[in-house]
Amino acid sequence: GESVGLHLPTLSVQEGDNSIINCAYSNSASDYFIWYKQESGKGPQFIIDIRSNMDKRQGQRVTVLLNKTVKHLSLQIAATQPGDSAVYFCAETPGGSYIPTFGRGTSLIVHP
Amino acid sequence: EPEVTQTPSHQVTQMGQEVILRCVPISNHLYFYWYRQILGQKVEFLVSFYNNEISEKSEIFDDQFSVERPDGSNFTLKIRSTKLEDSAMYFCASSERSLRGYTFGSGTRLTVV
Repeated sequence: GESVGLHLPTLSVQEGDNSIINCAYSNSASDYFIWYKQESGKGPQFIIDIRSNMDKRQGQRVTVLLNKTVKHLSLQIAATQPGDSAVYFCAETPGGSYIPTFGRGTSLIVHP
Repeated sequence: EPEVTQTPSHQVTQMGQEVILRCVPISNHLYFYWYRQILGQKVEFLVSFYNNEISEKSEIFDDQFSVERPDGSNFTLKIRSTKLEDSAMYFCASSERSLRGYTFGSGTRLTVV
């Protein structure tokens, strides 16, 4: 079936570096995408979202890029900090649904 | 900042026993959800609830599961006869309508022994 997946299960970076977390999706009906951050022992926390009519959206230190041609989503974190260490999930939502489907997650480890 | 509160944070139960996981959604939210996350795996949708009834449910949400909003503030997930494979983190979430306002609780870790 169609699914959301991630290329890298673990990403290690040095503090101050930029991080890029990638996600592939295969449901062509998805029109809304969300990145969540999950810290240890906590629930997923909304970071940033993007609709399919956009290819880029920026937040504070984070940018989401959407490439609908290859069904690829990425999360860029600028000047990564130790507090950014967490598992990051992308989620897709088909048009008309309010239920996001989560991918497996990428663990980001930031070394001081 | 408003929070979704879940209790207990950790519950251990014997296989075959009933468990009730409790959630207090954000007060002005109208949509409520349960998700689960088996250790190291992705977050999986179980059920959504709106206007005092289930609006959507996944294949995981079989007859062993039920949800209830017994009063104006609590939202519960009941597992009638727990199995070992029910061991997971269970997350409650609530939203007004927009996905952007989807707020998760910190979860209940259920361990079935």
